[in-house]
Amino acid sequence: EVQLVQSGAEVKKPGESLKISCKGSGYSFTNYWIGWVRQMPGKGLEWMGFIFPGDSDTSYSPSFQGQVTFSADKSTNTAFLQWNSLTASDTAMYYCARRSHSFYPGYSREENHFDFWGQGTLVTVSS
Amino acid sequence: QSALTQPASVSGSPGQSITISCTGTSNDVGRYKYVSWYQQPSGKAPKVLIYEGSKRPSGVSDRFSGSRSGNTASLTISGLQAEDEAHYYCCSYAGSNTLVFGTGTTVTVL
Repeated sequence: EVQLVQSGAEVKKPGESLKISCKGSGYSFTNYWIGWVRQMPGKGLEWMGFIFPGDSDTSYSPSFQGQVTFSADKSTNTAFLQWNSLTASDTAMYYCARRSHSFYPGYSREENHFDFWGQGTLVTVSS
Repeated sequence: QSALTQPASVSGSPGQSITISCTGTSNDVGRYKYVSWYQQPSGKAPKVLIYEGSKRPSGVSDRFSGSRSGNTASLTISGLQAEDEAHYYCCSYAGSNTLVFGTGTTVTVL
């Protein structure tokens, strides 16, 4: 069974750093892109970017480039989302999700939708 | 990379059909067939309903259907049920390994 399990809720002060995690199981973690999605309180979903755990290749939304860092640890099947200096506007629910991938005889291709989601990590930044 | 435009809310009575629109540009919805739709009940994680514009993952009810024409994609829910009350989001591939979500639509079953 494919599962993405995210780390627990965090309460931080402005200026602090934070790293949240997303652990995959039930599939070949290094062969699927992981996406990160932000949902601010009462607002919609925002695509933050992708990381490919197999080689740590990344793609960031222009809105988040330079604001956050994606990383992955193949040995523990875990992806991470990191901030160096949090602000109040980072208060949100953050979801990781697996980008679907199709496998055919002789080739494979990544799809452009998310087929499995983590349960979300609530990050609260407040002085 | 602006969010795709969805109506803020759509409502219908049980058994009726409703359609949610998702308007993008020639750089996303109009260029790529990769439009997906997600259902998010309040307080829960999203779940994929439709991918590649009109394909349904196994386990998703055939009451959900998707289509795309020009710069606009649509999600239709037929035979509306109380359990369909949720937020719905479209999402499009936008080239260069990027995605963009819609603004979201709240569906209310009257």
